[in-house]
Amino acid sequence: NAGVMQNPRHLVRRRGQEARLRCSPMKGHSHVYWYRQLPEEGLKFMVYLQKENIIDESGMPKERFSAEFPKEGPSILRIQQVVRGDSAAYFCAIPGTGANTGELFFGEGSRLTVL
Amino acid sequence: AQSVTQLGSHVSVSEGALVLLRCNYSSSVPPYLFWYVQYPNQGLQLLLKYTSAATLVKGINGFEAEFKKSETSFHLTKPSAHMSDAAEYFCAVSERGSYIPTFGRGTSLIVHP
Repeated sequence: NAGVMQNPRHLVRRRGQEARLRCSPMKGHSHVYWYRQLPEEGLKFMVYLQKENIIDESGMPKERFSAEFPKEGPSILRIQQVVRGDSAAYFCAIPGTGANTGELFFGEGSRLTVL
Repeated sequence: AQSVTQLGSHVSVSEGALVLLRCNYSSSVPPYLFWYVQYPNQGLQLLLKYTSAATLVKGINGFEAEFKKSETSFHLTKPSAHMSDAAEYFCAVSERGSYIPTFGRGTSLIVHP
């Protein structure tokens, strides 16, 4: 999905380390979503960002997780002091062609494994 | 509040058979509804969407879904399954004005030769 580039595609961390996941939407897109996919649980909304602004972070865990989308550069999802339960696929998405309908265009995801 | 229920975490069909994946939603206002497909180690791709036009919606790869307000359902169907249809399918709902869709848990479609 060239419209949304995510890296790294796979990341391995030991417990207590930090994980940084990056999302670069195609030029001209100023909004991104982050979702987490846990096995057998579907996709869970985490945060909705505009450049330099957090619109909705109601799905973000209260501790250790943070997200930003600076004026320049990619959106970053940061997980501090990772635990095994953080092992999941993290997806970034941008609004799709349907205006204000909630339609999303996803990246291929970053798969975090915590040892 | 919006929510989505996908009945059956796994559905198994024979190649050439009808595919039916069930989705029921709850929403306090008329919603937008979506079906996405996910192949292994990939992101989600939009199959089709309902945004208040025709209640029978046609999507890619021969899939279609019908919005039934009285049943609060948006089931996904395909007349004849192909091996290449084996994937995970997600139903999603977005209330008007929300912009944040809620996803179901997904249904894994298995296609037997």
